Amino acid sequence: DTEVTQTPKHLVMGMTNKKSLKCEQHMGHRAMYWYKQKAKKPPELMFVYSYEKLSINESVPSRFSPECPNSSLLNLHLHALQPEDSALYLCASSLAPLPQPGVFGEGSRLTVL
Amino acid sequence: SQQGEEDPQALSIQEGENATMNCSYKTSINNLQWYRQNSGRGLVHLILIRSNEREKHSGRLRVTLDTSKKSSSLLITASRAADTASYFCATDERYNFNKFYFGSGTKLNVKP
Repeated sequence: DTEVTQTPKHLVMGMTNKKSLKCEQHMGHRAMYWYKQKAKKPPELMFVYSYEKLSINESVPSRFSPECPNSSLLNLHLHALQPEDSALYLCASSLAPLPQPGVFGEGSRLTVL
Repeated sequence: SQQGEEDPQALSIQEGENATMNCSYKTSINNLQWYRQNSGRGLVHLILIRSNEREKHSGRLRVTLDTSKKSSSLLITASRAADTASYFCATDERYNFNKFYFGSGTKLNVKP
């Protein structure tokens, strides 16, 4: 299995909703990432987990809450989002700790109404 | 910010021609990666070049790295319509290679 699987592919939510994005990989990768990508822009790093511990938080607002329950799963909990948070959310993983290529999922397209 | 700049922002060529994209970055790196993204899809890793390497090949791809100029180029030879996509370079931080940032990207259109 050489894939990163993200669910759901599409999500529409209101500003008062609570939802979660899920990411799963079974490649034994120990670094996992969340990126946010707006239309026609490059992906922006949000969070990095290394060995299931949060190692990098790029000053992301607290309405985004990451969670890494185990080495294969990464969640992004969403609460009280704003319309400007609408974007493609990409999950990636890589073999830590050495520099290795990142394997990306297809993304979850989020629309906040 | 470490985020790189790429040029050109957009490139349109005929099938069979070569495409060259450039990436510049700001601080010292461990490695630089190139990714491809089809419209609205996930990113596909193309090639990784380490800071002590100057050139790397993979199929029709050739990547060069000049750490003295903090720049890299991606050459796609004999382009195909299927190469139409956005191409991004991604660089890490010298002392934190798990933290990598994407450049602004080049949108390549290969006309059949």
